[in-house]
Amino acid sequence: DAGVIQSPRHEVTEMGQEVTLRCKPISGHDYLFWYRQTMMRGLELLIYFNNNVPIDDSGMPEDRFSAKMPNASFSTLKIQPSEPRDSAVYFCASSPRAGEQFFGPGTRLTVL
Amino acid sequence: KQEVTQIPAALSVPEGENLVLNCSFTDSAIYNLQWFRQDPGKGLTSLLLIQSSQREQTSGRLNASLDKSSGRSTLYIAASQPGDSATYLCAVRQAGTALIFGKGTTLSVSS
Repeated sequence: DAGVIQSPRHEVTEMGQEVTLRCKPISGHDYLFWYRQTMMRGLELLIYFNNNVPIDDSGMPEDRFSAKMPNASFSTLKIQPSEPRDSAVYFCASSPRAGEQFFGPGTRLTVL
Repeated sequence: KQEVTQIPAALSVPEGENLVLNCSFTDSAIYNLQWFRQDPGKGLTSLLLIQSSQREQTSGRLNASLDKSSGRSTLYIAASQPGDSATYLCAVRQAGTALIFGKGTTLSVSS
């Protein structure tokens, strides 16, 4: 298995633009997580899905952020409109039930 | 609310030394605990997973222990090497939640 796949690896955009981050989890994993990492706050959960259903989105900062999981092999995290304070590394991870979480390589987002 | 603390925040050791990284958590009701390694500008690599019913896990020169009742875990690295230089993150998982991370310990091993 190729592991968790994320795209793009790097994204530079201007304030106000829409940003879409993509994730393909490991086949057979029924949990998918989106995390954000910043120097100030470390790694924080944004949202997670179980069997494609959002379970906990309490970490989503505000309505500008949205996430979907239309099927077991694909998820998106969208920011609209983007702001400079959204600059961070966004990680997607997947796991089997209560099992080991595997992380993707991350998307480094810079909002100018 | 679960909080995870890692001490020390940074550690420098000479090559060959054995070392221990510490992790503590405030709520002992966890499913599992996972140790990760993160190299600068890179993603997270899972090192060891300890289920709540287990006391320790070993992989090569790494040994992780878990004392749920006291809310502590340690990561022991034997015979450290310059290639071990990285940030080590501890994270716990509880029922109905995702991983909650500590801020990490940045390790530097000099040759």
